[in-house]
Amino acid sequence: KAGVTQTPRYLIKTRGQQVTLSCSPISGHRSVSWYQQTPGQGLQFLFEYFSETQRNKGNFPGRFSGRQFSNSRSEMNVSTLELGDSALYLCASSLTPQDQPQHFGDGTRLSIL
Amino acid sequence: GESVGLHLPTLSVQEGDNSIINCAYSNSASDYFIWYKQESGKGPQFIIDIRSNMDKRQGQRVTVLLNKTVKHLSLQIAATQPGDSAVYFCAESPGSSASKIIFGSGTRLSIRP
Repeated sequence: KAGVTQTPRYLIKTRGQQVTLSCSPISGHRSVSWYQQTPGQGLQFLFEYFSETQRNKGNFPGRFSGRQFSNSRSEMNVSTLELGDSALYLCASSLTPQDQPQHFGDGTRLSIL
Repeated sequence: GESVGLHLPTLSVQEGDNSIINCAYSNSASDYFIWYKQESGKGPQFIIDIRSNMDKRQGQRVTVLLNKTVKHLSLQIAATQPGDSAVYFCAESPGSSASKIIFGSGTRLSIRP
């Protein structure tokens, strides 16, 4: 069974631009979560989606948004990019929000110039 | 505040020896603990988990020990191999939601030939 797929794997943007990242969960998984990973802050929770509804959001500014589609695929968007948004963005999926553990994709490496 | 920490940021082990990676947690409400392995350029990979009603759980070459009295979690890797080189994260979950999972900062395990 295919794992969590994230696209693109690498992305380079400049300040002020916006970006959309995509995540396809493991087949049958309906819960998708997003995390930001940086050397200084480690893994930080961004969003949690289930059945196209955002259940929880982490402590990030409104420039960070996301959504989930009826096929459980999810996207996250970051607008007005800042240098500090450079990070590895990870997506994780599970059958339901209560199902553990989550399974992670290999992430999208976002670099802001 | 609540935190999950690691006693050592780096660990160097001779190939063939056993590795022990330690983790401290502070949220007594946490009832589920997870160890992830993250290799360079990849996302976190689930290794093993344990619930708070257990003290020990074994997998293939890995054992997780939970000491609730001192809020301590450890991961033991038997007969460490070059492929075990990675960053290892512990995580605690006090609730049934991704938003409540707290990840440790990680320990880098390097293997000496």
